[in-house]
Amino acid sequence: AQSVTQPDIHITVSEGASLELRCNYSYGATPYLFWYVQSPGQGLQLLLKYFSGDTLVQGIKGFEAEFKRSQSSFNLRKPSVHWSDAAEYFCARPDNYGQNFVFGPGTRLSVLP
Amino acid sequence: EAQVTQNPRYLITVTGKKLTVTCSQNMNHEYMSWYRQDPGLGLRQIYYSMNVEATDKGDVPEGYKVSRKEKRNFPLILESPSPNQTSLYFCASSPFSSVSYNEQFFGPGTRLTVL
Repeated sequence: AQSVTQPDIHITVSEGASLELRCNYSYGATPYLFWYVQSPGQGLQLLLKYFSGDTLVQGIKGFEAEFKRSQSSFNLRKPSVHWSDAAEYFCARPDNYGQNFVFGPGTRLSVLP
Repeated sequence: EAQVTQNPRYLITVTGKKLTVTCSQNMNHEYMSWYRQDPGLGLRQIYYSMNVEATDKGDVPEGYKVSRKEKRNFPLILESPSPNQTSLYFCASSPFSSVSYNEQFFGPGTRLTVL
């Protein structure tokens, strides 16, 4: 079964520093990949998605992600983190039929002032 | 306002007492889904529905039931809740029957505690 892993459970960065959150997916046909963010006490919001074409994807709130087939990765990046970015971030993908949906375990981001 | 609503938002119950968590969307979406969120495990899909009268199991369906009699509603039923079903539950919807490249819109969550 397709799966998604996020190696980092918790990351702490200083405000203004750059950020990279890692995501790896299991083998499959060209995957569709998503990043969602969950702010404290909130539901999830889509940050960005990849399904074909340009491997560098731009999202909301200044985030971007790069799809690298050779590394089975879809890492999320932001050049300068803001305190409001403190949240939990989930990488996710659908199965081959586009109906079952699988989330990674999440990475919790803390931002130091 | 386009949204996914869930009720109740918080629920404390006892083992074996049947309960229903409602989910409703006002966006005319085809696809709806239920997830549970547990620390360290992320979100795991319980059941999903591609459209009315079409439901299927996700990764953790044991102990849960669903139905999709109307397009807008997708209730989650726990016939005999147990403490291991204590969790944060999210309902989500998406415009089309496939979520391959379509965004899912999430409700605010229901925190369930089973004593």
